[in-house]
Amino acid sequence: EPEVTQTPSHQVTQMGQEVILRCVPISNHLYFYWYRQILGQKVEFLVSFYNNEISEKSEIFDDQFSVERPDGSNFTLKIRSTKLEDSAMYFCASSGGDKVPDTQYFGPGTRLTVL
Amino acid sequence: AQKITQTQPGMFVQEKEAVTLDCTYDTSDQSYGLFWYKQPSSGEMIFLIYQGSYDEQNATEGRYSLNFQKARKSANLVISASQLGDSAMYFCAMRYNAGNNRKLIWGLGTSLAVNP
Repeated sequence: EPEVTQTPSHQVTQMGQEVILRCVPISNHLYFYWYRQILGQKVEFLVSFYNNEISEKSEIFDDQFSVERPDGSNFTLKIRSTKLEDSAMYFCASSGGDKVPDTQYFGPGTRLTVL
Repeated sequence: AQKITQTQPGMFVQEKEAVTLDCTYDTSDQSYGLFWYKQPSSGEMIFLIYQGSYDEQNATEGRYSLNFQKARKSANLVISASQLGDSAMYFCAMRYNAGNNRKLIWGLGTSLAVNP
């Protein structure tokens, strides 16, 4: 069964450093997403990506964040200068693009720790 | 604005019993979808079941069913015949089903513990 994969599973970085989180969405999916979950808090939407451009983003997704689909399979989230409050689990998801239900399937997550 | 409320931070259930996890939502939209996801201790987010706002019947997927009461704006998840492997966090989420907005809005989740 096709699945979303994410690397690395854990990332520890120093405050101010750049990190790139990588995702391989399900191959025939058209929409890609990043969410984050700070420990003990609700899951928060960051950004959605369709047809090689951002289709929607949240207030959290400021200039420090960027997304890219560098080739036909990978989807990346870059945080330019990490802050302590960026520590969270980051989930990548993808969906087929059908109107309804367009279920989003999630990867296993990358746990980012900013020291 | 859309909002999801899960009022049960933690629930316990005896193995083989049924359990209902509550979810209420707030939206002014007519077309929307409700999703339930399971998050085991390992951390991944697993899709369980979907209910569309126009679906006339309650959704079912194996041991999972959704008690959808549109007038009350509730979409409770029912797990029948609980198993030890059902111990996890359960999240209710909602999205618009119109336009290009596809982001999911999430509740805080309910932690379910299944006792042997």
